[in-house]
Amino acid sequence: DSGVTQTPKHLITATGQRVTLRCSPRSGDLSVYWYQQSLDQGLQFLIQYYNGEERAKGNILERFSAQQFPDLHSELNLSSLELGDSALYFCASSFRDRQETQYFGPGTRLLVL
Amino acid sequence: QKEVEQDPGPLSVPEGAIVSLNCTYSNSAFQYFMWYRQYSRKGPELLMYTYSSGNKEDGRFTAQVDKSSKYISLFIRDSQPSDSATYLCAMWAGRRALTFGSGTRLQVQP
Repeated sequence: DSGVTQTPKHLITATGQRVTLRCSPRSGDLSVYWYQQSLDQGLQFLIQYYNGEERAKGNILERFSAQQFPDLHSELNLSSLELGDSALYFCASSFRDRQETQYFGPGTRLLVL
Repeated sequence: QKEVEQDPGPLSVPEGAIVSLNCTYSNSAFQYFMWYRQYSRKGPELLMYTYSSGNKEDGRFTAQVDKSSKYISLFIRDSQPSDSATYLCAMWAGRRALTFGSGTRLQVQP
């Protein structure tokens, strides 16, 4: 158990809908990262927050957004969902901005029908 | 061309064998090199990280970095069926985001 929690574990929704994924980092970690993992694309970095502020952006679509709250939990919002958004979404956390020691949560499996 | 290349496998070995997993990379700015293990449908688990060139050992695992050749390896001694998983290498240049390899699927046969 990495200490990073993610909810929900599974999510089934329809195209065009909007969903929110939630992540709580390990105790003491200030950075939160979001990743998307699909069979054909591997693990893709989406976005990083550090102590409430956006720190780095990867291949995140404009339909996706994220935020980190004062209690350091983070939410990833996915809107206007398409079939291709079906994937595993992972959250990871690290102490400060040290990316070499990221700890991953169990993931949220999203299925868009 | 991808910044990090990793053979997807699958790599199948008998129990007790020494396993060698490898990645090559093209970005000479990478300074930190990580190995993650991912069981099916689970989150990646950080196994080891090394800074710059050299070897690092942790139990049955040894990570090796050769920056001159832009080549990193993970060796698993006395492999066990419980080691069957996908192994992802990852690299960081100290800025921007981690870059992951696509992962090598390892199967250790009992």
